[in-house]
Amino acid sequence: ETGVTQSPTHLIKTRGQQVTLRCSSQSGHNTVSWYQQALGQGPQFIFQYYREEENGRGNFPPRFSGLQFPNYSSELNVNALELDDSALYLCASSPWTGGRSDTQYFGPGTRLTVL
Amino acid sequence: QQQVKQSPQSLIVQKGGISIINCAYENTAFDYFPWYQQFPGKGPALLIAIRPDVSEKKEGRFTISFNKSAKQFSLHIMDSQPGDSATYFCAASRSSGRRALTFGSGTRLQVQP
Repeated sequence: ETGVTQSPTHLIKTRGQQVTLRCSSQSGHNTVSWYQQALGQGPQFIFQYYREEENGRGNFPPRFSGLQFPNYSSELNVNALELDDSALYLCASSPWTGGRSDTQYFGPGTRLTVL
Repeated sequence: QQQVKQSPQSLIVQKGGISIINCAYENTAFDYFPWYQQFPGKGPALLIAIRPDVSEKKEGRFTISFNKSAKQFSLHIMDSQPGDSATYFCAASRSSGRRALTFGSGTRLQVQP
């Protein structure tokens, strides 16, 4: 059983560009959440996908968008990059069984630097 | 709006000592409280989690204490080891609907040999 994987590991972009980050969820997990972790801060919830539908969104502008595919992998797209978008982007998958505490398992993250 | 407040920001403990990290939450709808451990360059890894129907949960050297009336919970690391040196995050979420984790700001723990 493989864990959550993310690609790429590191990415450098310039202001105004667009970026796509990818996540493969853990086997058997149908829910994917994306978080932004600025340096020295706790992760902040961006949005969550359950069975290919957005299932909630945090306080992030519409230029942050996502997709979930039939195999439950996911993409995070960020348009019109700003300097403040520089952060570690974390993907977390969970098995959403309807249980009271479906643990979220995190990937290693993608470090995005915007110059 | 910071819904989960974590303290201290950093902590230095001698090997064999007890590390204590505290968190307080505001949203009474939260009913799932995990703690995550994060090493540099890695994603957060779940350590231990608790629900508010119990006041304490222990797994090995890690214990969560939970005070529902005060809306506070804490992580105790017994017999702290240098390998425990990492950043620890408390978090909270709801069990229904959107199950987004709300994280604290983190505690950087350093265990000195």
